[in-house]
Amino acid sequence: GAGVSQSPRYKVAKRGQDVALRCDPISGHVSLFWYQQALGQGPEFLTYFQNEAQLDKSGLPSDRFFAERPEGSVSTLKIQRTQQEDSAVYLCASRRPGIDTQYFGPGTRLTVL
Amino acid sequence: GENVEQHPSTLSVQEGDSAVIKCTYSDSASNYFPWYKQELGKGPQLIIDIRSNVGEKKDQRIAVTLNKTAKHFSLHITETQPEDSAVYFCAADSGAGSYQLTFGKGTKLSVIP
Repeated sequence: GAGVSQSPRYKVAKRGQDVALRCDPISGHVSLFWYQQALGQGPEFLTYFQNEAQLDKSGLPSDRFFAERPEGSVSTLKIQRTQQEDSAVYLCASRRPGIDTQYFGPGTRLTVL
Repeated sequence: GENVEQHPSTLSVQEGDSAVIKCTYSDSASNYFPWYKQELGKGPQLIIDIRSNVGEKKDQRIAVTLNKTAKHFSLHITETQPEDSAVYFCAADSGAGSYQLTFGKGTKLSVIP
């Protein structure tokens, strides 16, 4: 089947604008993760869902970041009042029950001007 | 929390030679150690992983070794090919039911034809 998909692939926002990034996990994968990858760095954990429940949001950098997964499938990462330091690639990963492997999507590159 | 250190940050090898990338981790509760390959503009792709109850795992030209006592693990690529050129990331979970991954800063591998 298809892998993890993310949209848009590229987003340019003016400082102060709100953005919404979408993730479609692999069908049947109950676990979903968001990571932030700054240029030249490894991915950093933001938040984790199991089905529709957000079980860990310890990596969200501020209250401007909000994630949801209302029906336990598609997830949206929302960033309010974007700042230049929010510029990064936002990666989504999904994982099926009982298996350690996290499968990553292609990411959304966010540039805040 | 978990801290993962990765070395070297860049590595150049001649085609056909071997490449070794090393990582250390801090959390003794970590149980799962994946390696990802990331090409420009793409999301990380799992190439091999190892769990803490195994000391070594091999898949064709790729092998991973784990020393739990010393808290380090290594990626070995033999008979390197130009298409192996990419950025490689090691990662570790946090154990205790936490599924988030902590990544190293990455190694840019260049295979010279």
